[in-house]
Amino acid sequence: GESVGLHLPTLSVQEGDNSIINCAYSNSASDYFIWYKQESGKGPQFIIDIRSNMDKRQGQRVTVLLNKTVKHLSLQIAATQPGDSAVYFCAENLPPNQGGKLIFGQGTELSVKP
Amino acid sequence: GAGVSQSPRYKVAKRGQDVALRCDPISGHVSLFWYQQALGQGPEFLTYFQNEAQLDKSGLPSDRFFAERPEGSVSTLKIQRTQQEDSAVYLCASSHRRDGYGYTFGSGTRLTVV
Repeated sequence: GESVGLHLPTLSVQEGDNSIINCAYSNSASDYFIWYKQESGKGPQFIIDIRSNMDKRQGQRVTVLLNKTVKHLSLQIAATQPGDSAVYFCAENLPPNQGGKLIFGQGTELSVKP
Repeated sequence: GAGVSQSPRYKVAKRGQDVALRCDPISGHVSLFWYQQALGQGPEFLTYFQNEAQLDKSGLPSDRFFAERPEGSVSTLKIQRTQQEDSAVYLCASSHRRDGYGYTFGSGTRLTVV
């Protein structure tokens, strides 16, 4: 069945370094992806999104790359800060005709060392 | 309100007890979703409302789970005869959009069944 999953369950980086979090998906028809940040005791927080007609999108200190050929997306965080420590999820947002639900991957825990 | 509010934040239930989890969405948001997040996993879809109509309940794991949103605002997720495998964080999300995009998540209710 459809799935969205992550390669690495944990990632530890030094403050100031760049972080890269990866995600693979299985459905070649997937159209819209979102990266979420979830801090302990909180709900997922929207970071950045990308549609399948794009291969790159940039935000403030974050960049999402989408490679449709190998069904892979990544989240890059520049100059990682202690406040970036959290669990990061990629998710596919299904279109309205499929209910608009989110299908989440397992998550990667990012730990930033000062 | 300013965000999606969920109550209680924590709930401990004895096995076999019934529980009710409340979600107050952002005022005016028409779409409301419930997700279940097991420890160390990504959230999984449970059910979706558009106003008071429950349009999708395909994710509810058993007939012990029931959700309602009678006036198209506050929603309640009820779990009857709780079992240990029901232990999880229950997340509510709402959106002003009807197409299933643009979610804001609440902080969730952590249910522990003992």
